[in-house]
Amino acid sequence: KQEVTQIPAALSVPEGENLVLNCSFTDSAIYNLQWFRQDPGKGLTSLLLIQSSQREQTSGRLNASLDKSSGRSTLYIAASQPGDSATYLCAVPLRTGANSKLTFGKGITLSVRP
Amino acid sequence: GAVVSQHPSWVICKSGTSVKIECRSLDFQATTMFWYRQFPKQSLMLMATSNEGSKATYEQGVEKDKFLINHASLTLSTLTVTSAHPEDSSFYICSASKGGTGNTIYFGEGSWLTVV
Repeated sequence: KQEVTQIPAALSVPEGENLVLNCSFTDSAIYNLQWFRQDPGKGLTSLLLIQSSQREQTSGRLNASLDKSSGRSTLYIAASQPGDSATYLCAVPLRTGANSKLTFGKGITLSVRP
Repeated sequence: GAVVSQHPSWVICKSGTSVKIECRSLDFQATTMFWYRQFPKQSLMLMATSNEGSKATYEQGVEKDKFLINHASLTLSTLTVTSAHPEDSSFYICSASKGGTGNTIYFGEGSWLTVV
């Protein structure tokens, strides 16, 4: 059974700091890995999706890496801003298929202090 | 971009009544949609997979007679919480995949259910 872990559960940093959010998974046979952002009481917004054949993806100030062999992914946020405050979740689908169900980590709640 | 819409955004109902939540893919067809539940400060837990034109597939521990799922068209899936109890109060989110090589999953805005 796939398990996705995100530690720590919460993180507080001053504005402008570069930071890394970690995600680990137990079954390395993943199709891809996706990072989401969730604002309080809201749905999820997809940030980055890394295919199993890729090592990283970038979008603006965000960079996500994937190391399947070690079962790890990181989300790097450059020059953090108060607007980045949210919960960040990583998720993996099991095996192949465009419609695979996702297993989520519990998320990391990020607070960026002005 | 692709959008998945949920309705209602929040609902309060009395214990023992039933509540229906809709999930729509607005600009793409989704043969499969997923329903998740999220309790405060917890992660999303998959409840069931909704398949267009066939029965939903429920995860272990989820009562199919309590959480009725209907996927009558390629753009609409509904989740009905029957005989709701206070412990059913939660945040319910649906998702759909546009398919193709990207497999990006799009989530609805979520629906807050409070059972009193």
